[in-house]
Amino acid sequence: DVKVTQSSRYLVKRTGEKVFLECVQDMDHENMFWYRQDPGLGLRLIYFSYDVKMKEKGDIPEGYSVSREKKERFSLILESASTNQTSMYLCASSLGDWDGVGSPLHFGNGTRLTVT
Amino acid sequence: KNQVEQSPQSLIILEGKNCTLQCNYTVSPFSNLRWYKQDTGRGPVSLTIMTFSENTKSNGRYTATLDADTKQSSLHITASQLSDSASYICVVSSRGNKLVFGAGTILRVKS
Repeated sequence: DVKVTQSSRYLVKRTGEKVFLECVQDMDHENMFWYRQDPGLGLRLIYFSYDVKMKEKGDIPEGYSVSREKKERFSLILESASTNQTSMYLCASSLGDWDGVGSPLHFGNGTRLTVT
Repeated sequence: KNQVEQSPQSLIILEGKNCTLQCNYTVSPFSNLRWYKQDTGRGPVSLTIMTFSENTKSNGRYTATLDADTKQSSLHITASQLSDSASYICVVSSRGNKLVFGAGTILRVKS
């Protein structure tokens, strides 16, 4: 089974801090994604990557950046955390086309980030 | 605008009963539609995928339907169990485009 591991289940950070969320997958998937999940809203795509050192903006990239130095690892960076970034962050990976056609997304269990 | 709407927002049923969750979409062009199950504190897991030519597909007690003409899908759960309590998310994929997620339906199965 594909395993996507997010380094932290819960994080509490202060406004203005730089925050790193780490994600590792063990199935040699080309594509990796970062989403945020808020109540009443669907998952919203922040950034995605279809290859090492490649990154593409999703729907809500403002205030975030990413890094993919190795195929198995995809990091989300909040340059200066703000309270409106309090959310559940989900990392996912997939084979094949970046939009998942024919290949399901495999998600980690999420990091619940609270910014105070 | 590409959108996916799910109904109801939440649902409570008794163990052993059946239920149906709805997904309406305006995504075009359409490639496929997936249902995901998200247990509390976990990431979503794919239940089934529906392509344009498929009308019905079963996965155990879960049966998904797709009507591409009316742009509707449903997920029917038979003989519900406590472990079915979760959020069910409908995701539509458009060719050459990103995924469009519904907000999900929260199902609670009571004993």
